[in-house]
Amino acid sequence: AQSVTQLDSHVSVSEGTPVLLRCNYSSSYSPSLFWYVQHPNKGLQLLLKYTSAATLVKGINGFEAEFKKSETSFHLTKPSAHMSDAAEYFCVVSDNNQAGTALIFGKGTTLSVSS
Amino acid sequence: ETGVTQSPTHLIKTRGQQVTLRCSSQSGHNTVSWYQQALGQGPQFIFQYYREEENGRGNFPPRFSGLQFPNYSSELNVNALELDDSALYLCASSLGVVGGYNEQFFGPGTRLTVL
Repeated sequence: AQSVTQLDSHVSVSEGTPVLLRCNYSSSYSPSLFWYVQHPNKGLQLLLKYTSAATLVKGINGFEAEFKKSETSFHLTKPSAHMSDAAEYFCVVSDNNQAGTALIFGKGTTLSVSS
Repeated sequence: ETGVTQSPTHLIKTRGQQVTLRCSSQSGHNTVSWYQQALGQGPQFIFQYYREEENGRGNFPPRFSGLQFPNYSSELNVNALELDDSALYLCASSLGVVGGYNEQFFGPGTRLTVL
C-alpha cells in the first residue's frame, strides 16, 4: 500500500528566509510524487511532480523538490519565502503503472509566512 | 480552455437526506476523480470514472455513488447522509487513467454541511 507522511503539520518562516516542507513516502511500486498547494477557498494547484525522470524537480513559483529513494523522501524547498506562499501544502503519491490509481494525499502542512 | 467547475459551491443538508454534486471536467479530459476532504485533513479518494465506467474506488461505502456522462461531466451522489459526510468534495479531471503520468486538475470544490 502507498502512503505519505508529512513530518510537520505547521511550519512558520519569515519572509525572505528558506522554506523546507518534509515528506516521506511508502510505495511498493514505481511511484509518482507530487506537491500540491491549496490556498483558502481555492482549488488544489500542482506545484511540481516527479515521475521517474530527473530526481531534482523544479516547479512553479520557485519551489523545487528532490526525490531520494534511499531515504524515501521528497522534501519541498524554496530559497526565499514570499507572503503569498502562505497556504496548505500536500505531498501526494501515485502509482506510475497502474490504471485507475488514486492520488494518495498526506495530511498537509500549513505554511505561515511573517513579515 | 475552461477549467474544472463544480456546483453548487455550498450545500446544507440534514441527516438521512440525499445529495447530488456536479462536476464539469476540463475541456478534452475523459477521466474524472472525486475526493472527500474533511476539515484539517488531506483529500481522500472516493472513486474515478473513465469513459462512463467506474475505474477505481477508495474505501467508501456503497451509498457513495457516481455517474459520468458522454460529455465526461460527472455527478457524485450520497444517500442517507451522516454527520461525518460534512466535508469539501473535490472533483479532478485528467486525460487518461494511468497512475501518475496524467496530471489531475482540481475544481474549487463543493462544501457540504450535514446537520
